[in-house]
Amino acid sequence: KAGVTQTPRYLIKTRGQQVTLSCSPISGHRSVSWYQQTPGQGLQFLFEYFSETQRNKGNFPGRFSGRQFSNSRSEMNVSTLELGDSALYLCASSLDTTSGATGEQFFGPGTRLTVL
Amino acid sequence: AQSVTQPDIHITVSEGASLELRCNYSYGATPYLFWYVQSPGQGLQLLLKYFSGDTLVQGIKGFEAEFKRSQSSFNLRKPSVHWSDAAEYFCAVGGRYGNKLVFGAGTILRVKS
Repeated sequence: KAGVTQTPRYLIKTRGQQVTLSCSPISGHRSVSWYQQTPGQGLQFLFEYFSETQRNKGNFPGRFSGRQFSNSRSEMNVSTLELGDSALYLCASSLDTTSGATGEQFFGPGTRLTVL
Repeated sequence: AQSVTQPDIHITVSEGASLELRCNYSYGATPYLFWYVQSPGQGLQLLLKYFSGDTLVQGIKGFEAEFKRSQSSFNLRKPSVHWSDAAEYFCAVGGRYGNKLVFGAGTILRVKS
């Protein structure tokens, strides 16, 4: 089974621009979560989508948004980029547990975003 | 609010020596606990998880972890470290409402020969 794929792997943008990152989950997985990883803040949860609906949201400004399509693929968008948005953005997919509780998440290799 | 503390930023062990990485969590209900490993430039790989039941859980690559509710800890152990274990290790906690993980700051493991 193919793993989680993320595109693009590397991205360079300038301040004020916007960016869209894509994530294709493992086949059959309906939950997709996004995380930001930086040296200063570590790994931080952005949001989770399940069946095209945002189910959980982290503490990030509204410039960060996402969506999920009917095939479970997900995109996240960052508008009006700031220098501090430079990070590795990781996507994870999961089979939803019957209880709805946190399940085993499979991570993609990430998209490295550099904002100049 | 959920939180995870990994007290050790860096740990260096000799190849063949035993390893213990510490993790303490704060969570108001039954925690769902995870250990992930990240090699440079890579995503995260799940080593093991604890949801309920036996408090000693076995994972991949010879790792194990013990859940101690009284100490709010979930320490990761390995009896004999290999050079290929050098990486960054993250402890994480989830809960009953979807796939949201709160991660610790990570511990960088160095293995010396």
